[in-house]
Amino acid sequence: AQSVAQPEDQVNVAEGNPLTVKCTYSVSGNPYLFWYVQYPNRGLQFLLKYITGDNLVKGSYGFEAEFNKSQTSFHLKKPSALVSDSALYFCAVRALNFGNEKLTFGTGTRLTIIP
Amino acid sequence: KAGVTQTPRYLIKTRGQQVTLSCSPISGHRSVSWYQQTPGQGLQFLFEYFSETQRNKGNFPGRFSGRQFSNSRSEMNVSTLELGDSALYLCASSLFGTVNNEQFFGPGTRLTVL
Repeated sequence: AQSVAQPEDQVNVAEGNPLTVKCTYSVSGNPYLFWYVQYPNRGLQFLLKYITGDNLVKGSYGFEAEFNKSQTSFHLKKPSALVSDSALYFCAVRALNFGNEKLTFGTGTRLTIIP
Repeated sequence: KAGVTQTPRYLIKTRGQQVTLSCSPISGHRSVSWYQQTPGQGLQFLFEYFSETQRNKGNFPGRFSGRQFSNSRSEMNVSTLELGDSALYLCASSLFGTVNNEQFFGPGTRLTVL
């Protein structure tokens, strides 16, 4: 079975400060990890993914995520937060094996950037 | 390239009715997955189709069903609607045949059951 935990329902950050949204995962075998963002009344937009290689992954809108195998974590980060980053963020995992399309999502973290 | 489209965007039904939602994947994508999003349960996987065959299924009752057509378009059907079926239903498409294919999501269909 695969699972994702996002321990914080809500994260508040002042504009211009660095932000971190936490994610830990559990999966059999090698993980395929994602971050998605959702704005009000919209579907999910892809931010970034990790398959293999460099543990620091860079994505859209200046976001990056750090894969840590020993801690089974994939935290989302941004050096300087913008008010427009305020949204709902989802971490997701699936096992990296052929034929498995099922994504398991965390419960989401609502990020609010305070002007 | 056009993204994933879902119709209708909004739907209001009453308990006991049935509903059909439609999803058109990105051109060339052969895999379509469906998810239900609710405030209480978050995002939950419903099922996934490839080449008109259901490949994976989540833990939902038999009232939830789906199908995929030869052009990869997919529909999901919910029969005997319950209040708890009110949710945002998201469709996602992906290429198939590679181990690292990613899913692209549509805008969703907001279903309200009264």
